[in-house]
Amino acid sequence: SQQGEEDPQALSIQEGENATMNCSYKTSINNLQWYRQNSGRGLVHLILIRSNEREKHSGRLRVTLDTSKKSSSLLITASRAADTASYFCATGTSGNTPLVFGKGTRLSVIA
Amino acid sequence: DVKVTQSSRYLVKRTGEKVFLECVQDMDHENMFWYRQDPGLGLRLIYFSYDVKMKEKGDIPEGYSVSREKKERFSLILESASTNQTSMYLCASMGQFQETQYFGPGTRLLVL
Repeated sequence: SQQGEEDPQALSIQEGENATMNCSYKTSINNLQWYRQNSGRGLVHLILIRSNEREKHSGRLRVTLDTSKKSSSLLITASRAADTASYFCATGTSGNTPLVFGKGTRLSVIA
Repeated sequence: DVKVTQSSRYLVKRTGEKVFLECVQDMDHENMFWYRQDPGLGLRLIYFSYDVKMKEKGDIPEGYSVSREKKERFSLILESASTNQTSMYLCASMGQFQETQYFGPGTRLLVL
C-alpha cells in the first residue's frame, strides 16, 4: 500500500535555482524520510525527520513536516546538474514495519 | 559503510524459467526487503524478512517466493517467470533498531 504521494511528478529547473518537492501521506507516522535515486540505480537515504520535528537541514537540503496536514516538503537549494535524479518520500511507523514509499518526483537540473 | 549487493545488474530470462535473485548485506541487519519498481508505480514491496527463516508478504507477493537461510542473504525466487514480471528489482536492508533502509544497486530483469 502506497502512502506517500509526491508532487510534482516531474520538475525541470535551471542550475542554481531552488527545487521544491512535496509529499503527502495518509496515516500517522513516526518519521518521514527522503531518498534519492539516480537513473537505473538503487535508492540512497538523504534525510529523516521525526514526527515531533518541524524542520531539518542537511547541507543544501531542507525538509519540513506538517503532521496536521500530513505533508512534507524537500527543498534543494542552489541546485546542480548532479542533483538530477528521482526523489522519493517514505513514511515509517513503529518497530520494524517496512517503510512505505511514494511514486517519486523526477528532477531534471539543466546546466 | 553498509553495503548491499545484488547478484546481477541485468538478467534476461525466458517465460517459464525459474529465476533466482540474490541479495547480500554486510552489516548484520535483521531486516531485509525485496521491492519491484515500475514506471508510474513507484516501489512496491514484494516480501520482507525480519529474521533468519522468517518471511512476511508485502503488497504484491503473488508469483514470488523468498528464502532467508542466512542472516546476510535474502533471495527472491520467481518460480515460473512471466513477462509481467519484467521490472527493476531492488533489495534493501535495515538494522533492528534503525529507521533507515539501505538499498542495493538493483537488478533489471527482462522476461521474454
